[in-house]
Amino acid sequence: DGGITQSPKYLFRKEGQNVTLSCEQNLNHDAMYWYRQDPGQGLRLIYYSQIVNDFQKGDIAEGYSVSREKKESFPLTVTSAQKNPTAFYLCASSIRENQPQHFGDGTRLSIL
Amino acid sequence: AQSVTQLDSQVPVFEEAPVELRCNYSSSVSVYLFWYVQYPNQGLQLLLKYLSGSTLVKGINGFEAEFNKSQTSFHLRKPSVHISDTAEYFCAVSGGMTTDSWGKLQFGAGTQVVVTP
Repeated sequence: DGGITQSPKYLFRKEGQNVTLSCEQNLNHDAMYWYRQDPGQGLRLIYYSQIVNDFQKGDIAEGYSVSREKKESFPLTVTSAQKNPTAFYLCASSIRENQPQHFGDGTRLSIL
Repeated sequence: AQSVTQLDSQVPVFEEAPVELRCNYSSSVSVYLFWYVQYPNQGLQLLLKYLSGSTLVKGINGFEAEFNKSQTSFHLRKPSVHISDTAEYFCAVSGGMTTDSWGKLQFGAGTQVVVTP
């Protein structure tokens, strides 16, 4: 079955450490997105990519970085500059912009 | 810029009773509208979408929503809920081609539906 795979499901970060969240899709979608979810705040867009080797900042990009070297993959790095990284991170993809987005099952990041 | 307001943070409802989740948006141009459902510790699943055409949209699991352009609303309804409908529901809007929100979804804060026997 086609879908989006996020790994790991749970991740712990030490102070000053960078961590990378994986997102892979086999839906042949052009667009991919990263969201951060905090209780009571809905989802906020971190980064998005409409084509390979191109990506744009979303509403809360500070302290995060991404790459899009392959159509199927859109990893997110949470850097040490992100001072409050504890959250649920969701990756999504869509066939193109403005079409319905399909979501992975998320990665929950916590600070040790 | 566009925004989405979900008017209720939590909606308690008895099993087999109807439920309505309210969503209002602000945008000066035409938009695309979506409702998603999220079960605990999972991603979001698309319930239904409005892109164009009929203002009454039917989705999965017996849900439907009505797009009201004059009131800038997109309320979600289900005539008879089940225990399994207990989840969080998100309304989302995506801007039209003439906005700087092209391709980006703006989410509401979510409505937690709790169905009790």
